[in-house]
Amino acid sequence: GQNIDQPTEMTATEGAIVQINCTYQTSGFNGLFWYQQHAGEAPTFLSYNVLDGLEEKGRFSSFLSRSKGYSYLLLKELQMKDSASYLCAVRDRGVKRTYKYIFGTGTRLKVLA
Amino acid sequence: DADVTQTPRNRITKTGKRIMLECSQTKGHDRMYWYRQDPGLGLRLIYYSFDVKDINKGEISDGYSVSRQAQAKFSLSLESAIPNQTALYFCATSDLSGSYQFFGPGTRLTVL
Repeated sequence: GQNIDQPTEMTATEGAIVQINCTYQTSGFNGLFWYQQHAGEAPTFLSYNVLDGLEEKGRFSSFLSRSKGYSYLLLKELQMKDSASYLCAVRDRGVKRTYKYIFGTGTRLKVLA
Repeated sequence: DADVTQTPRNRITKTGKRIMLECSQTKGHDRMYWYRQDPGLGLRLIYYSFDVKDINKGEISDGYSVSRQAQAKFSLSLESAIPNQTALYFCATSDLSGSYQFFGPGTRLTVL
């Protein structure tokens, strides 16, 4: 089956570093995405991994291990505006070389002053 | 101007009514998607379309139908709304390479 797991909530302090983990099980893995979603707003793209390793993008980094079905999103120098939900999503290759995106339930991050 | 727009942004309706949610995009993407989001359940795929002649069911298509009138427009209909269809609905697009999805601002639908 297809399944994505991530923690429901995390809390961290302004200026700190936080790591949000995501584990997944899919039959046709073809990439992993992280999105940020502020309450009541649309998800916005943060990062993408298709090969193993670390992708760095400013204060945000994302890591992937395909053999372990595991990814994490690392947020450095936390700011109050980083308080949001972080969605892990897997692109799954289906029949006819089509792709579907499967989303986790999201991790709600609270950044405290 | 926004790349992906959804209308209406908010809608309150009654059980049994027919509702249409509309999505338009100026990104030139071929692929369009409809999701619903419920607290604790994440984003769930309702329908998706890879071009004007292509319509595919997602994991929760029962009670919904869609129409892809043009490359830029993808509409979601609830033929007879029921209270458990109360949710936040998002339209999304992606290009042919299957890169990340770009989401519209969402429609908050309440069915009484």
